[in-house]
Amino acid sequence: KNQVEQSPQSLIILEGKNCTLQCNYTVSPFSNLRWYKQDTGRGPVSLTIMTFSENTKSNGRYTATLDADTKQSSLHITASQLSDSASYICVVEEYGNKLVFGAGTILRVKS
Amino acid sequence: NAGVTQTPKFRILKIGQSMTLQCTQDMNHNYMYWYRQDPGMGLKLIYYSVGAGITDKGEVPNGYNVSRSTTEDFPLRLELAAPSQTSVYFCASSYSRTVNSPLHFGNGTRLTVT
Repeated sequence: KNQVEQSPQSLIILEGKNCTLQCNYTVSPFSNLRWYKQDTGRGPVSLTIMTFSENTKSNGRYTATLDADTKQSSLHITASQLSDSASYICVVEEYGNKLVFGAGTILRVKS
Repeated sequence: NAGVTQTPKFRILKIGQSMTLQCTQDMNHNYMYWYRQDPGMGLKLIYYSVGAGITDKGEVPNGYNVSRSTTEDFPLRLELAAPSQTSVYFCASSYSRTVNSPLHFGNGTRLTVT
């Protein structure tokens, strides 16, 4: 069964610190991998999309990496801000356009 | 530019009641989707549409119906509501299904069935 597993489930960090969120997947074959940010009470918003041939993609203080051989991705957040507090969702697209969503990592940034 | 708009934001239904969740987008996107999000789980696709007049089932379509009479609107109908349909429902749209076309989500409808 194609799955997307995210770790940790939740994380608390101090404002200004860096953090890395992990995503492991078993989806195969896969077309692309996406990271979304979901603020409390809102819909997910796209952060990055990487094809299977890309290793890294940045969006401001967010940098996503992808290792298609080990089926792992990470999202690195630099110099965290209070507004980074949200759920971060990893999504893997199978060939044939089916999206498989992870359950998300809940990040809390405190001052 | 409002993006994807969902109404209502919250709703409580009694078992057996029916309702329609509304979704409209102003980006002229052909592709529209309905997802449900349950605690601790990834989003699950209920129905999707590739254009006006064309709809298809997703992973969890039982107990739901959709229609797509215009490009802008994609309502989701719940008939005979059951407690298992308690969830947060998200409507989304995209320009195409290519890698360069991310999903744009609405802010969700939180539904409780008691």
